[in-house]
Amino acid sequence: SYELTQPPSVSVSPGQTATITCSGDKLGDMYACWYQQKPGQSPVLVIYQDNKRPSGIPERFSGSNSGNTATLTISGTQAMDEADYYCQAWDSSTALFGGGTKLTVL
Amino acid sequence: EVQLVESGGGLVQPGGSLKVSCAASGFTFSGSAVHWVRQASGKGLEWLGRIRSKAGTYATVYAASVKGRFTISRDDSKNTTYLQMNSLKTEDTAVYYCTRHQPIAGYGLDVWGQGTTVTVSS
Repeated sequence: SYELTQPPSVSVSPGQTATITCSGDKLGDMYACWYQQKPGQSPVLVIYQDNKRPSGIPERFSGSNSGNTATLTISGTQAMDEADYYCQAWDSSTALFGGGTKLTVL
Repeated sequence: EVQLVESGGGLVQPGGSLKVSCAASGFTFSGSAVHWVRQASGKGLEWLGRIRSKAGTYATVYAASVKGRFTISRDDSKNTTYLQMNSLKTEDTAVYYCTRHQPIAGYGLDVWGQGTTVTVSS
């Protein structure tokens, strides 16, 4: 079965750039999305169609997807960005989630 | 306000059944697909399945882990989607979310409910 692999954790200093990767076989041939989930809250879509931001998502969130890797980049990371991040791809009609990455801002 | 509200979670014994609901408001529910996603405590997101709109012939598809046990349905007159869960196992214990997906290629799950907790235990 198809799997999406994310690093369990990423750490970044405030104001620096955070990079979270998501790997899967020929992932670049699919669309990738990213979700942010803070403790006790529901997930929030932050990137869709590889690199588009929904209304209300800050410009510091960006995405890319090529080859076997999709990447979520957070520029000028803020303390409020500390959360779990999940990548998601569409395989035909089904949604596949990565295991999630805990972003720590310290 | 665009909103999804789940209800109906609770405690159920192994082997039992439970039906949870997802009520939509603030958008044209009939034109959207609805997906169900669950999250066990301290774990990641697990996609369960989806139901398309009438334009998509209400087609459903399920994850292998729940196929044959879970059924998704909808009542557009009530702006509500349902998740019927049968033959429940302890490993089905989780927070269950309904989410909206608009019929655009590569679009994400852009509206999520607050979740309803299902506990399977004797």
